[in-house]
Amino acid sequence: NAGVTQTPKFRVLKTGQSMTLLCAQDMNHEYMYWYRQDPGMGLRLIHYSVGEGTTAKGEVPDGYNVSRLKKQNFLLGLESAAPSQTSVYFCASSSQGPNYGYTFGSGTRLTVV
Amino acid sequence: GDSVTQMEGPVTLSEEAFLTINCTYTATGYPSLFWYVQYPGEGLQLLLKATKADDKGSNKGFEATYRKETTSFHLEKGSVQVSDSAVYFCALSPEWGAQKLVFGQGTRLTINP
Repeated sequence: NAGVTQTPKFRVLKTGQSMTLLCAQDMNHEYMYWYRQDPGMGLRLIHYSVGEGTTAKGEVPDGYNVSRLKKQNFLLGLESAAPSQTSVYFCASSSQGPNYGYTFGSGTRLTVV
Repeated sequence: GDSVTQMEGPVTLSEEAFLTINCTYTATGYPSLFWYVQYPGEGLQLLLKATKADDKGSNKGFEATYRKETTSFHLEKGSVQVSDSAVYFCALSPEWGAQKLVFGQGTRLTINP
């Protein structure tokens, strides 16, 4: 019963490098979300998807891109990492939207130096 | 826009004390309201929810009542345990518009034996 799996769990990047964070869910959920968590700021929505092949911008989308080519996977890309993107990134999924509750992954701690 | 404000933390209590964590919101219409809990090193988990005014959500001894007149959804527990130590997030799902959760900044709770 894996739920939502995020890889990697930890990563250190140099400024200007690129990387992709993978989120995989095995619950056949339609909705998937990427949040970042920063001290004192709670969780802020980066991008989200309401179904395979769809994506939409959240509250803080700049510097990030996403893709949802398969229903079970939601990828978050950083094309040119900046120190301001140092954060903990959480992926979440939901069967029919937030009123049905989110299932969260355990997070990816990213440090950009 | 829609927003959630929680009481500043950290909150430190002794075991068996009464807990209140305040949460107020700003939103149009009738949003759904949620409390999520994050234990150390883990992703967030849904604790309880309420989807209409005067509803009371409850789980694991925690309760919160949806108060439309005061735009509040305060979290309470009559007797806390050391195992309740975590970060608690209040969140709302707007009645209209995009299917997403808006989170408060989180309140860190520490329970001492």
